Amino acid sequence: DVELVESGGSRVKPGESLRLSCAASGFTFSSYLINWVRQSPGKGLEWVSSISGTGSSINYADSVKGRFTISRDNGKKSVQLQMDSLRVDDTAVYYCLTPPVFTGYAMGVHWGRGTLVTVSS
Amino acid sequence: DVQMTQSPSSLSVSVGDTVTINCRASEDIANYVLWHRQRPGNGNVPEVLIYGASTLESGVSSRFGGRGSGTDFTLTISSLQPEDVGTYYCQKYGSGPWTFGQGTRVEI
Repeated sequence: DVELVESGGSRVKPGESLRLSCAASGFTFSSYLINWVRQSPGKGLEWVSSISGTGSSINYADSVKGRFTISRDNGKKSVQLQMDSLRVDDTAVYYCLTPPVFTGYAMGVHWGRGTLVTVSS
Repeated sequence: DVQMTQSPSSLSVSVGDTVTINCRASEDIANYVLWHRQRPGNGNVPEVLIYGASTLESGVSSRFGGRGSGTDFTLTISSLQPEDVGTYYCQKYGSGPWTFGQGTRVEI
């Protein structure tokens, strides 16, 4: 089965940095783009960033451009989100999200269960 | 970037009703639309209902249906059940930013 496990969330102060990780299993990881999506308390889902399977194509939401950096390690089947200059409004649950992936017997889109980032003084 | 405009923002319905949620893209995105749901009972972790605008995710009830192509998309929930209460989102995927709609809260 496909599994996405986010980690690295914690409570930090404004201006500090944090690195999130998303560990994947159950599909050919290097063939697929991976997204980070976040949800602030009481708000809707917000797409944050995506990285292609090779890492050659990267996109960021305007709200995080210049502060967040996405990367991936296909050998370790993981995607990282380096978050610098964190602000109070970056407080959110951060999720990994795949596109439709083929596992050999089924196609489907998958979410992780999220990791909580709290930015507060 | 493509914008996704979702409507209505909320719905109050009865068990057994048919619900339709609309999503409009600011430009042609073919069928690159996902529909997601968040339910309080699932720890608020989003679940995918539909991909490719109309393909039902494995394990999702056949009461859910998606239609559309180009710029206009709909999610239909037939014979609404109490467990369908939650917030529904459309999302554009494929190349570029994967923009979400604003969400539709469905309550009974």
